[in-house]
Amino acid sequence: DIVMTQSPDSLAVSLGERATINCKSSQSVLYSSNNKNYLAWYQQKPGQPPKLLISWASTRESGVPDRFSGSGSGTDFTLTITSLQAEDVAVYYCQQYYSTPRTFGRGTKVEIK
Amino acid sequence: QVHLQESGPGLVKPSETLSLTCTVSGGSINNYYWSWVRQPPGKGLEWIGDIFYSGTTTYNPSLKSRVTLSVDTSKNQFSLKLNSVTTADTAVFYCAKVGGPGYFQDWGQGTLVTVSS
Repeated sequence: DIVMTQSPDSLAVSLGERATINCKSSQSVLYSSNNKNYLAWYQQKPGQPPKLLISWASTRESGVPDRFSGSGSGTDFTLTITSLQAEDVAVYYCQQYYSTPRTFGRGTKVEIK
Repeated sequence: QVHLQESGPGLVKPSETLSLTCTVSGGSINNYYWSWVRQPPGKGLEWIGDIFYSGTTTYNPSLKSRVTLSVDTSKNQFSLKLNSVTTADTAVFYCAKVGGPGYFQDWGQGTLVTVSS
């Protein structure tokens, strides 16, 4: 199984500041045949299901604010929230879909400082 | 964007079988993969398995011996059975539509299933 390791476990950021979440996979999730990273990011607010934010490591879903961005390749990935808003308080998960079983990181909780 | 809704008992006794159904509305179940994901209270997400509308399945090896997924295209539904449950199976169970080769594009609201005598 591919193990997804997120860091930090939690972070507190002031409103309007940048939040950076890291995700590392135990093996590369980059498919050489199409040069695509099989990595997704989700946002989960309390009492709600996860919401897909980003697929293919950097492709934002329709309707996701552009303050959310994904980057990285191979085994190291980052979700960045520029200018944190109050509604961004949530737990964020990365997930690999390079191979089964599909696996998630343990989540990073983002709070307001 | 389709709407997914989980349904089934919220309480199951240890050693019995957990059964849930996901009803898809706002779109056809045909031509897509559908999935189940669970989340123990206060913990992270675990993929359980996928089913294609044709009935082809892929399971998480950690649960494969206890899981059965099925689909009913006439009702636009797919279902999960997890047998021999223990208290460790207590979780919120989500059904989801699989996007691309394996991310989870749309999610149901989730249903809490508690395993307890």
